[in-house]
Amino acid sequence: GEDVEQSLFLSVREGDSSVINCTYTDSSSTYLYWYKQEPGAGLQLLTYIFSNMDMKQDQRLTVLLNKKDKHLSLRIADTQTGDSAIYFCADHSGGYQKVTFGTGTKLQVIP
Amino acid sequence: DVKVTQSSRYLVKRTGEKVFLECVQDMDHENMFWYRQDPGLGLRLIYFSYDVKMKEKGDIPEGYSVSREKKERFSLILESASTNQTSMYLCAISSHGDSRNQGGYTFGSGTRLTVV
Repeated sequence: GEDVEQSLFLSVREGDSSVINCTYTDSSSTYLYWYKQEPGAGLQLLTYIFSNMDMKQDQRLTVLLNKKDKHLSLRIADTQTGDSAIYFCADHSGGYQKVTFGTGTKLQVIP
Repeated sequence: DVKVTQSSRYLVKRTGEKVFLECVQDMDHENMFWYRQDPGLGLRLIYFSYDVKMKEKGDIPEGYSVSREKKERFSLILESASTNQTSMYLCAISSHGDSRNQGGYTFGSGTRLTVV
């Protein structure tokens, strides 16, 4: 089946940029998503990118998609302590409206 | 904003008990999903539903069943709870026609279930 992989942990200093990476296997993906999960909460949709796009920018967030290598990244500029959370990459695949999630990357922001 | 409400934030049940987890949405979204979240494993799909009385197995349906008698409510049932079902359970919804989110999900806050 489809697979979405992420590294489990990332630590950055406040004010630096964070880059969270994700790889996926499904070549028929239409949309790819980034979700944020704060402690004790559900997931919140941060942003998405259509598979025919290379880049999408939304304020401090930049999403880069390399469809050839099946690689997705999320860059957070000027990382703040409030950005500390688990970030999930997700791939719209496997049938209508079904989404496959990665294992999540825990971002720790050091003041 | 769309709201997805899960009936309990924390639940403790005994092994062998029948457990009901409820999820209610306040929008007319067709698709509803149940996931469990475990450290290092991410989110795994248990069951989903595209419409009332319709259900489809996800990746890990064993030991679970679901019910969708009304469009707004999707229930997850643990027929006989076991300790390996201790987990965080997340309900999510999406809509075919949601152009704002392009098929992205809206999640509930989760239910942390402990089976002792």
